[in-house]
Amino acid sequence: GGIITQTPKFLIGQEGQKLTLKCQQNFNHDTMYWYRQDSGKGLRLIYYSITENDLQKGDLSEGYDASREKKSSFSLTVTSAQKNEMAVFLCASSIKGTEVFFGKGTRLTVV
Amino acid sequence: AQSVTQPDARVTVSEGASLQLRCKYSYSGTPYLFWYVQYPRQGLQLLLKYYSGDPVVQGVNGFEAEFIKSNSSFHLRKASVHWSDSAVYFCAVSANYGNEKITFGAGTKLTIKP
Repeated sequence: GGIITQTPKFLIGQEGQKLTLKCQQNFNHDTMYWYRQDSGKGLRLIYYSITENDLQKGDLSEGYDASREKKSSFSLTVTSAQKNEMAVFLCASSIKGTEVFFGKGTRLTVV
Repeated sequence: AQSVTQPDARVTVSEGASLQLRCKYSYSGTPYLFWYVQYPRQGLQLLLKYYSGDPVVQGVNGFEAEFIKSNSSFHLRKASVHWSDSAVYFCAVSANYGNEKITFGAGTKLTIKP
């Protein structure tokens, strides 16, 4: 089996700050995802990547950047944190759109 | 574009009763379909998946789902729920070829009454 590790687990930022979330997977999966989870809104896809150096925009990409410099890692940057924003960011990986494996999430709070 | 609708944000069922959680998807081709569960303070786990073949798929803990193409539905069922089934359930869809975008629904929060 494998594991997806997200760092940090908790992230507190200031309004307007640029914040970076990191994700590592050892499944050797080609595809990686970033989702945002808000209460009552389910999981919304921010970015995904089907291979190293590839980036595909999801439904919620505005306000975010992503980077896939290695097959095993996928980072997400909040370009300008919004005041009172609270959400959980979930990283995931899969083989070609089949079963998705999730990390435990990074909980973001913006003060 | 693909999408998933879970029309029931919250469902409450008595312990021992049967359960159906609804899921409708929008996708022009033949999809891959999934149900995931998120227990309190835990990550998402796969319950079951449909790729092809028998439209009724079995999952863990007695859950099953039926793919009905004519209705674009993939409802989740369980014959007799247990208090430990209380969780949030997510339906998801992806294309069954190269396009690897996976879209999730908004989730249904299931509460089991004693």
